[in-house]
Amino acid sequence: QKEVEQDPGPLSVPEGAIVSLNCTYSNSAFQYFMWYRQYSRKGPELLMYTYSSGNKEDGRFTAQVDKSSKYISLFIRDSQPSDSATYLCAMKRDQGAQKLVFGQGTRLTINP
Amino acid sequence: GAVVSQHPSWVICKSGTSVKIECRSLDFQATTMFWYRQFPKQSLMLMATSNEGSKATYEQGVEKDKFLINHASLTLSTLTVTSAHPEDSSFYICSVRDFRSSYNEQFFGPGTRLTVL
Repeated sequence: QKEVEQDPGPLSVPEGAIVSLNCTYSNSAFQYFMWYRQYSRKGPELLMYTYSSGNKEDGRFTAQVDKSSKYISLFIRDSQPSDSATYLCAMKRDQGAQKLVFGQGTRLTINP
Repeated sequence: GAVVSQHPSWVICKSGTSVKIECRSLDFQATTMFWYRQFPKQSLMLMATSNEGSKATYEQGVEKDKFLINHASLTLSTLTVTSAHPEDSSFYICSVRDFRSSYNEQFFGPGTRLTVL
C-alpha cells in the first residue's frame, strides 16, 4: 500500500465549476500537508501549505485536512481554463523533515 | 520563495554517454537541495538529498554510482547520469528547501527532460 493515495484522474469539468481534489494517506505521523500545481513539462509550484487539521483559504483555493480520517482535499472555486494542470498532494512528518511524500497527482482539465 | 533554475531544460543523448544536469538557487544560499525523478503520468520520486560540502544521501534503490551528485557551492548542485540507458529517460527535477519561509517549504526548478536513445 502506498503511503499517499491520489486518484490520477483525468478529471474534466466545465469552466466555473467547483473542483474537489483529494488524497488519503496511511501514516498518522504526517502533520504538514501541501498542494502543488504542475503544468505540463514544468516543475511543481507550491499552492497551499497547511499544518494539522483544519481549513485554509487563499483566493479561489481552499485546503482541508482531516487527520482523523487521514484525508486531505483541495477545492477550487470558479475554475478557469488556466487551472488546467496536474495537482499533486504532498506531506511530511514535521517541519524539519527533509523528505516530502507525494501523491500520484490528478490531471485536471477545465473546459471553456 | 526561493527561485530555482535548471539547465538544460531538455537533453537527448546516446546510450552509454553521461549527462550533467545543473540546479541553481538564484536568490538563496541553499545548504540542501533535492533531486527528484518523475516518469510520465507518475508522481515525483525523491532520488537523493544534496548537501553542500558533503556527500549526498541517496534513497533506497537509487544507484549512487550511476547518479552522481555534486553540491560544490551554496547555489549549485549537479546531477550526472553516467552511462545512460533508455530506462533512465525521465523528467529530473531539483528543489531547494527555503529556510526563510514559515514552514521551510521546498521550491522546485522547472525540470530537465532527459531522453536516452
